[in-house]
Amino acid sequence: DVVLTQTPSILSATIGQSVSISCRSSQSLLDSDGNTYLYWFLQRPGQSPQRLIYLVSNLGSGVPNRFSGSGSGTDFTLKISGVEAEDLGVYYCMQATHAPPTFGSGTKLEIK
Amino acid sequence: EVQLVESGGGLVKPGSSLKLSCVASGFTFSSYGMHWIRQAPKKGLEWIALIYYDSSNKYYADSVKGRFTISRDNSKNTLYLEMNSLRSEDTAMYYCSIGSVDYWGQGVMVTVSS
Repeated sequence: DVVLTQTPSILSATIGQSVSISCRSSQSLLDSDGNTYLYWFLQRPGQSPQRLIYLVSNLGSGVPNRFSGSGSGTDFTLKISGVEAEDLGVYYCMQATHAPPTFGSGTKLEIK
Repeated sequence: EVQLVESGGGLVKPGSSLKLSCVASGFTFSSYGMHWIRQAPKKGLEWIALIYYDSSNKYYADSVKGRFTISRDNSKNTLYLEMNSLRSEDTAMYYCSIGSVDYWGQGVMVTVSS
């Protein structure tokens, strides 16, 4: 199975600070159809996960544009440009290029 | 508005069976593959099963293969997860999600304990 390694595991930020989360894959996530099936989710405390980013860099519906995704192959990054209080929670990357789909172990964002 | 509502969870003993349901609304259910994803208490997310829109293909995580069965009834807009031979390590919140993982249910808790 594809292993997704997320770093850091815990991130502490002040309001307005920009932060980045890394997701590294044990295999290239470029599919033979030309797409890269890499997603980012935020799970707020007590809630279901919410999809933020799909296909590496596409913003989900209703997701603020302070969130952005980038990367290719095996290295991917989620950036939050100007953290807000509502951004606290656990962030996960997920790949669906290779069966079975797998998730990263999560990055907990704390607000200072 | 897309809605996914899971039900059927509860407290069961090891070796027992349970069947979860996920009722979908607000989209054309019969056009989408569907996932079951679970999350053990204080742990991360684990994908466990996928079914194609027409039930032609089903895939399972190794951790549940042979014990869990995913199915759907497109006439009832409902996704199912039949769980047999339950173990303590199956204790988790179970979520259903559309194939594109852009919508998730609120989850249903399954606790396996003697």
